[in-house]
Amino acid sequence: DAGVTQSPTHLIKTRGQQVTLRCSPKSGHDTVSWYQQALGQGPQFIFQYYEEEERQRGNFPDRFSGHQFPNYSSELNVNALLLGDSALYLCASSQDNKNYGYTFGSGTRLTVV
Amino acid sequence: GENVEQHPSTLSVQEGDSAVIKCTYSDSASNYFPWYKQELGKRPQLIIDIRSNVGEKKDQRIAVTLNKTAKHFSLHITETQPEDSAVYFCAASTPPGGSNYKLTFGKGTLLTVNP
Repeated sequence: DAGVTQSPTHLIKTRGQQVTLRCSPKSGHDTVSWYQQALGQGPQFIFQYYEEEERQRGNFPDRFSGHQFPNYSSELNVNALLLGDSALYLCASSQDNKNYGYTFGSGTRLTVV
Repeated sequence: GENVEQHPSTLSVQEGDSAVIKCTYSDSASNYFPWYKQELGKRPQLIIDIRSNVGEKKDQRIAVTLNKTAKHFSLHITETQPEDSAVYFCAASTPPGGSNYKLTFGKGTLLTVNP
């Protein structure tokens, strides 16, 4: 049983560019949440997708957007990249209405230069 | 929104000693408190969690205590081993599976266990 799969594992982008990160949830999970983890910090909640809609959003600008597909996989898009967007982006999947927590992916390390 | 404070930021112990990490939270609606271990370059891994209907939970060398009145919870690791060395994060949330489920993390504690 595959866990949460994220791609790519590493990415280098230039300021002002756009990036798309991808996540496939654990089998049986229908909810995908995205977190940003800056170096030396705890993960911060970006947003959550359920039934192909954004259900919750953290304190992130509109440059951060996402999508969930009918197969529950998800994308995180970041436009107009800033140096401060450099971080580990973690995808976490869970099952709605089930009382157990996330399964995290291994993350995508984004470096903005 | 929720705010989670975690102390200490770094902790160095000798192998075999105990380690204690403490967290406080602000939102009284939070009732799910997981702890994660993250090794360098790896994903956070859940090591133990506690819900507000209990005050303590133990799993082998790891225990967590919760004081809802004071809004603080702690991780206790006994008989530490070098492989316990990692960054530990506490977090707080409403229960998993709900529409409001999202974790607010502390800033982490770098635990170093010296052989």
